[in-house]
Amino acid sequence: SQQGEEDPQALSIQEGENATMNCSYKTSINNLQWYRQNSGRGLVHLILIRSNEREKHSGRLGVTLDTSKKSSSLLITASRAADTASYFCATLLNTNAGKSTFGDGTTLTVKP
Amino acid sequence: DAGVIQSPRHEVTEMGQEVTLRCKPISGHNSLFWYRQTMMRGLELLIYFNNNVPIDDSGMPEDRFSAKMPNASFSTLKIQPSEPRDSAVYFCASSLGTSQTGELFFGEGSRLTVL
Repeated sequence: SQQGEEDPQALSIQEGENATMNCSYKTSINNLQWYRQNSGRGLVHLILIRSNEREKHSGRLGVTLDTSKKSSSLLITASRAADTASYFCATLLNTNAGKSTFGDGTTLTVKP
Repeated sequence: DAGVIQSPRHEVTEMGQEVTLRCKPISGHNSLFWYRQTMMRGLELLIYFNNNVPIDDSGMPEDRFSAKMPNASFSTLKIQPSEPRDSAVYFCASSLGTSQTGELFFGEGSRLTVL
């Protein structure tokens, strides 16, 4: 089964609003990453947070990580229509394992 | 810089035919991953290579699937014989193994339809 599970499965908001997506996982991790996928395209890496970090920001993106609850949130502030995409969390168990396990994704629709 | 390059972008074939998907990773990346994406099962890791050596193929669904990486700049995923349930988007991704982050760089995918 997938390591990560995102919720909600789908989110629809108006341009300018903030969007929050959540990810839960099952085992201890080295880091957690968020990816974006536009329709018909490959996934693109957005932001990474390490297991010893609690919060990280990059432009309009913010990520939190709660290792005690095994959960993470991705916040997109002041959303734009161009943010419409699917967002996936991925967990890396350890750097020796090398492989990341992806959740099922949240489909975000930002209405202009 | 060129990203991960996959071919073909689209493939339509009939059940029983052999399918070969190709991938060129980013130059200098030493880890390569093949993922399959479907609506039902999401994004599944099929196999990954490190320094051209298969490390984990536990995600390969059946013996009909095989993957090779003859050199650092090329990998193939082969399905023989193909079945309708193999219809999916197949992604290749590469990463710099020494980066210690696992950040993946994806190709645009190969959309396979098996009739």
